[in-house]
Amino acid sequence: DAGVTQSPTHLIKTRGQQVTLRCSPKSGHDTVSWYQQALGQGPQFIFQYYEEEERQRGNFPDRFSGHQFPNYSSELNVNALLLGDSALYLCASSLDDPNEQFFGPGTRLTVL
Amino acid sequence: AQKVTQAQTEISVVEKEDVTLDCVYETRDTTYYLFWYKQPPSGELVFLIRRNSFDEQNEISGRYSWNFQKSTSSFNFTITASQVVDSAVYFCALSEGYQKVTFGIGTKLQVIP
Repeated sequence: DAGVTQSPTHLIKTRGQQVTLRCSPKSGHDTVSWYQQALGQGPQFIFQYYEEEERQRGNFPDRFSGHQFPNYSSELNVNALLLGDSALYLCASSLDDPNEQFFGPGTRLTVL
Repeated sequence: AQKVTQAQTEISVVEKEDVTLDCVYETRDTTYYLFWYKQPPSGELVFLIRRNSFDEQNEISGRYSWNFQKSTSSFNFTITASQVVDSAVYFCALSEGYQKVTFGIGTKLQVIP
């Protein structure tokens, strides 16, 4: 049983560009949450998707958007990248009980 | 608003010593969940424990134990007889029902052989 997978592992972009990160939840999980973890900080909640809709959102600008597909996989899109967007982006999935979250290995985004 | 405070940013101990990681939380809800996660250098968050606000019973799992005290809003984590493999960043986190999970800043634990 595969756990949460994320792609790509690493990504380098320049300021102003756009990026798409992908997440496949643990088999059978229907809820996906995204977190941003800056260096030396704890993960910060970006948003959560359930039944293909954004259910909760943290304190992030509209440049951060997402999508959930019918197979429960999810994408995180970030437009107009800033240097401060450099971070580890973590995806977490859960089933029914959103508190029992399983995390993926993350995508490390570097913005130059 | 919910908040998690981990006052210890870095701790170093010699192997086989016991170590306690502190966590203090703030929430207005009466129903909430507390977590501890381990993040090794590889980066993936590893779930260690979940506690709901109605269960103050302390828990022990091998060398790990957790002390939950609602009176002081604390959820401390103790590693007994620490090992080098315990070296990682440990995060305490809080969730209010079907809401976002708020993480603390983390405590970096270094176990020296």
